[in-house]
Amino acid sequence: DQQVKQNSPSLSVQEGRISILNCDYTNSMFDYFLWYKKYPAEGPTFLISISSIKDKNEDGRFTVFLNKSAKHLSLHIVPSQPGDSAVYFCAASNSGGSNYKLTFGKGTLLTVNP
Amino acid sequence: DAGVTQSPTHLIKTRGQQVTLRCSPKSGHDTVSWYQQALGQGPQFIFQYYEEEERQRGNFPDRFSGHQFPNYSSELNVNALLLGDSALYLCASRLQGIRYEQYFGPGTRLTVT
Repeated sequence: DQQVKQNSPSLSVQEGRISILNCDYTNSMFDYFLWYKKYPAEGPTFLISISSIKDKNEDGRFTVFLNKSAKHLSLHIVPSQPGDSAVYFCAASNSGGSNYKLTFGKGTLLTVNP
Repeated sequence: DAGVTQSPTHLIKTRGQQVTLRCSPKSGHDTVSWYQQALGQGPQFIFQYYEEEERQRGNFPDRFSGHQFPNYSSELNVNALLLGDSALYLCASRLQGIRYEQYFGPGTRLTVT
């Protein structure tokens, strides 16, 4: 039972254009969402997060949008750079019990072409 | 500021053997979680340790056990290894009750033959 789904295994964009990575979730108890970036042979690196009380969070070139009614979030990268090429994981957490276990999607491989 | 460190980097074991993986959390962090990432999958939560106790556990059998030491470092033990235990094992740390974001180490690549 996949509670966090990233339905696009891969995405290819041109340098300078916008990259949009999508994520859907099924568990309505999730109240905090995170995006991680992972390069080969490295651990996931935290990128940006959003609380369920917000619908948008922005940090430089990265913006995360949350649509609670649709149980959908997306990560926008503008402008995309070749160094952004990596696997992007969407993760969700339920703060109940203060344990903050993360539930991950399967990831989307982003390739930014020069 | 030291990040999360894990050892060893790679490990090859035979089916039925036991393995111990080690993790040192990011400086200032007191909570350690372990995740298993199989090929082509996202990380799967194994368990979390805080104040030297297991606080939450994912859907993993009792063959997977752990420990947290007074200096907040942690070990993951897997007994009676199966071929399906071959994966990247990730350790993540955070500060209890302060931040949601967990910081990951580079992982230990375990291969069971």
